[in-house]
Amino acid sequence: QSALAQPPSASGSPGQSVTISCTGTSSDVGEYNFVSWYQQHPGKAPKVLIYEVSKRPSGVPDRFSGSKSGNTASLTVSGLQAEDEAEYYCSSYVGRNKYVFGSGTQVTVL
Amino acid sequence: QVQLVQSGAEVKKPGSSVKVSCKSSGGTFSSNTVSWVRQAPGQGLEWMGRIIPFLTVTDYAQRFQGRVTITADTSTSTAYMDLSSLAFDDTAVYYCVRDGSVDAFEIWGQGTMVTVSS
Repeated sequence: QSALAQPPSASGSPGQSVTISCTGTSSDVGEYNFVSWYQQHPGKAPKVLIYEVSKRPSGVPDRFSGSKSGNTASLTVSGLQAEDEAEYYCSSYVGRNKYVFGSGTQVTVL
Repeated sequence: QVQLVQSGAEVKKPGSSVKVSCKSSGGTFSSNTVSWVRQAPGQGLEWMGRIIPFLTVTDYAQRFQGRVTITADTSTSTAYMDLSSLAFDDTAVYYCVRDGSVDAFEIWGQGTMVTVSS
């Protein structure tokens, strides 16, 4: 199972929005609504931002939103803040009780 | 508040094995799923496998099949990840992670650095 494809980098100025894509296949992202997104700051463990494509766990700001169209899922960060500068990973269920992560996207706040 | 506390850093020789532990506190353990995820230096996250402790059911990523064994001891709320035939490119931070109130990798351990060096 190959990693889901994400752009290596994305950037935006404070207050702007940035959208990160996560492209899989019809056997993973396209088939299941079990896509989640994670934020990881350097030296820290990842933190879940979005689960089941578009749901936010308690405590995650509504600036973070998720969606999916076909084999591609997306994470949008609205109203960028300095603390949003981090690495972002998507993940998808791929069937048979297995999962795969995306390749990761480094978000820079200009 | 559920917490996962992992064992300390390890340095191993090529060809040897490593066993990392992950102790859960402050919540249920047996009925939740515990996965292991690794991250090589400067690289992305890689799902290795998972266990449902009370069922002792395990699932592994194809690339680790036969080389990784995930177990759990419900009496101590501890999960273990055993990786054999270590190679230099197994050098990574190994995380345990479980679901919680949401169906996702929600609660993460602090990570265990495993270094494979001759």
